[in-house]
Order: sequence, then structure tokens, then C-alpha cells
Amino acid sequence: QITLKESGPTLVKPTQTLTLTCTFSGFSLSTSGVGVGWIRQPPGKALEWLALIYWDDDKRYSPSLKSRLTITKDTSKNQVVLTMTNMDPVDTATYYCAHSSNYYDSSFDYWGQGTLVTVSS
Amino acid sequence: DIQMTQSPSTLSASVGDRVTITCRASQSISSWLAWYQQKPGKAPKLLIYKASSLESGVPSRFSGSGSGTEFTLTISSLQPDDFATYYCQQYNSYFSWTFGQGTKVEIK
Repeated sequence: QITLKESGPTLVKPTQTLTLTCTFSGFSLSTSGVGVGWIRQPPGKALEWLALIYWDDDKRYSPSLKSRLTITKDTSKNQVVLTMTNMDPVDTATYYCAHSSNYYDSSFDYWGQGTLVTVSS
Repeated sequence: DIQMTQSPSTLSASVGDRVTITCRASQSISSWLAWYQQKPGKAPKLLIYKASSLESGVPSRFSGSGSGTEFTLTISSLQPDDFATYYCQQYNSYFSWTFGQGTKVEIK
């Protein structure tokens, strides 16, 4: 049974760096083809893909946010970490991590419950 | 960047109706398209991947079709549990992933 859970601060101040951790179980991020991605959703708005990391440490970033994002993995801890620098109130959103089982067919078949991050001074 | 445009933004329908949602890509994405269902306060749920493949456990009333730049999600007979927001998403390891803006299916 695959599960994912996001953790991190619920409130950050403008200009601060956000660090979110996705802790998962039921799969290994050392298995060929597997990836973990981050997606966010501002209140009442659409989903926005942020970043994805594959089993082989291949990393992909949203072009519009690439300069602010870093995604890393710790296979031994079953964790994926996303950092986002220079946070702004427009970054207020629910942040999800999600599992992808296939490098070429990278839909997200399992999702975490999401964590709401508010950016405010 | 590849842009995804869904239509309509909102759809009012009754239980038992056949419902179709369209998603258009700004350039060809072959069949690298997924559909998700999201209910308020919940994470999205994968319904369809690779344009027309039904995810395990998803009712057969959901179907997807299309390739290239135009795709559709069809619900053959709308059920009470289907009132939700639906998103398309293009994905390909050579490009960034993009979601559509969503289609809210409401009770008529």
C-alpha cells in the first residue's frame, strides 16, 4: 500500500525559504522508473506542477519557478524534500506530493493529503 | 511551455446525464494525458492515464479519448458521487507537466 505525507511549516514570512518534506511508504525511490513530484493549489484555484525527481536523481522543474526550487531525495529515509526560496503571499497554497510509477508514463497515481502553507508577515 | 485549455469551466448536469469535458494542448503531446477528479478538501484522484487507460478501481462509466492536441473525458451516466472538479494534465519526461484550469461539474 503506497502512502505519502507532506510535512513542513504552515506559516512562513515573505522572503523566507520554504522547506517541505514528503515521507512515503509502500515503494522505493531506488526502483527504476519511479518518481515523486510536487504540485500546489492556491485556495480556490487550479493545480500547478512544481517539480519531480526520478529514481536515478533526474530532476525536472516548472520553468516559471525553476530559479526558486530545489528537489532532493533521501532514499534511505524514504523522503523527498522541496525547497522554495523567496516566498511571497501568492505562494500561499496547499502543497501536495505525489507518486509516479513510470518514467515515460508519468501520471501521478498516488497523492498525499496535502499541507496548507500560508505566506504572511 | 505547453498550455492546456479545458472546456467548459463549469458544467451543470443531472444524475444519469452523459457528460463530456474537453482538453486542448497548445502543441502535440501524443497520448501523454491524464485526467483527475478532485473533491473539496481532498487530493486529486487519477482516473485516466495515457489518454484512454482506465486507472485500476475507477468505474467504467469514465472513459478518455484523443491524441495529439485534443482530448475528451466522458462520464457515460453521471452518478451523485461524480459531482467534483476535473483536471487534465499533460506529462512527458522531455517537457514540464501542465494542468488544465479545471472543469467543475455541478448539480443541475
